[in-house]
Amino acid sequence: QKEVEQNSGPLSVPEGAIASLNCTYSDRGSQSFFWYRQYSGKSPELIMFIYSNGDKEDGRFTAQLNKASQYVSLLIRDSQPSDSATYLCAHSGTYKYIFGTGTRLKVLA
Amino acid sequence: GAGVSQSPSNKVTEKGKDVELRCDPISGHTALYWYRQSLGQGLEFLIYFQGNSAPDKSGLPSDRFSAERTGGSVSTLTIQRTQQEDSAVYLCASSPYRGQNEKLFFGSGTQLSVL
Repeated sequence: QKEVEQNSGPLSVPEGAIASLNCTYSDRGSQSFFWYRQYSGKSPELIMFIYSNGDKEDGRFTAQLNKASQYVSLLIRDSQPSDSATYLCAHSGTYKYIFGTGTRLKVLA
Repeated sequence: GAGVSQSPSNKVTEKGKDVELRCDPISGHTALYWYRQSLGQGLEFLIYFQGNSAPDKSGLPSDRFSAERTGGSVSTLTIQRTQQEDSAVYLCASSPYRGQNEKLFFGSGTQLSVL
């Protein structure tokens, strides 16, 4: 079982819709969870992190964490074509950052 | 420089040759990671350095891979006797390691092509 699992996609949503990206993890000792965005040919950049159960909102982005279900998600409201990218979920336990394989998001204009 | 610097940006080599990839982290960052990303895939953890502690080498795929970090700063990833399956983008990242919610700062990567 992979430590961090994501659906590879592509996930296609129309412009203005809500994009929902999901991630499950196997290590119950994981403390912090991260969402990185990676444009094609570029390096990953951090969008959000979350470490408490519940929701965390930042502009159009909301991260949701459920430690009991070992599940973390990212919602993107009012999706824009510029949001088209691969979204990588990651967690860190004591220190080591482990990434999922990423979900490719396509926002259709 | 202001960011994580990696060199070379592109490396083409012949199967069986050795290659060295360099990473210069952000000044003052004590944590340094190497990841490998094959085409269309996620980030595969290779190795982690934290200060003067022994590195976590658990992600290195074979004994052909090794890495060192000199003086707690610059790191070199060495791949001996390269194989075609080693072709990938090798990404280095650093962080200041001040707490659990650390943001990783990534370099631009080295695109390695083994012919």
